[in-house]
Amino acid sequence: SAVISQKPSRDICQRGTSLTIQCQVDSQVTMMFWYRQQPGQSLTLIATANQGSEATYESGFVIDKFPISRPNLTFSTLTVSNMSPEDSSIYLCSVVVGDFTGELFFGEGSRLTVL
Amino acid sequence: GDSVTQMEGPVTLSEEAFLTINCTYTATGYPSLFWYVQYPGEGLQLLLKATKADDKGSNKGFEATYRKETTSFHLEKGSVQVSDSAVYFCALNRGRWVTGGGNKLTFGTGTQLKVEL
Repeated sequence: SAVISQKPSRDICQRGTSLTIQCQVDSQVTMMFWYRQQPGQSLTLIATANQGSEATYESGFVIDKFPISRPNLTFSTLTVSNMSPEDSSIYLCSVVVGDFTGELFFGEGSRLTVL
Repeated sequence: GDSVTQMEGPVTLSEEAFLTINCTYTATGYPSLFWYVQYPGEGLQLLLKATKADDKGSNKGFEATYRKETTSFHLEKGSVQVSDSAVYFCALNRGRWVTGGGNKLTFGTGTQLKVEL
């Protein structure tokens, strides 16, 4: 298994500002992902955080809005830029533990409210 | 594309009642199937999984059987407890994770379960 720590756990932000969420894993992992869970909805994959290269974004998500860093195999950040109330969501870091058929583990999430 | 359909909630049951949460999927090939649970204020936790047809995943009294003929993976528990109150997500992953992107765990919309005394 993996212990995934996310910071902040929650925050209230003003419209137009940016916030960076950190994800720290207690072991080296190859695969790391960022998901969004909007209120009352399911999870949507934002991007795959690739170590040492640019993240791979899903349709509907762009680097200018959600820049991602992955400097090493245990850490990643997701920035939500120029926030609007529509960005109010839970943002979840997740990792694959084990080999390429391993299960996906999630952090506890960062709950952002944009006013 | 891949999709997962779950029964809508909330589902409200009395303690010790039998639980079924329906899940059907659409995917090519032979996906792996999962149930995740999200307790209030917490992140998602893997509850159980099945990686091939006719496999039965089980954990904490919950069970689900991978039925390829009906493309289903229904979650069941014989006797629910108040502590089982949570949101349950069915999900699928089509094969192996690969580096560089192209991975996606496809989730259903989630089913909220409320268990009352």
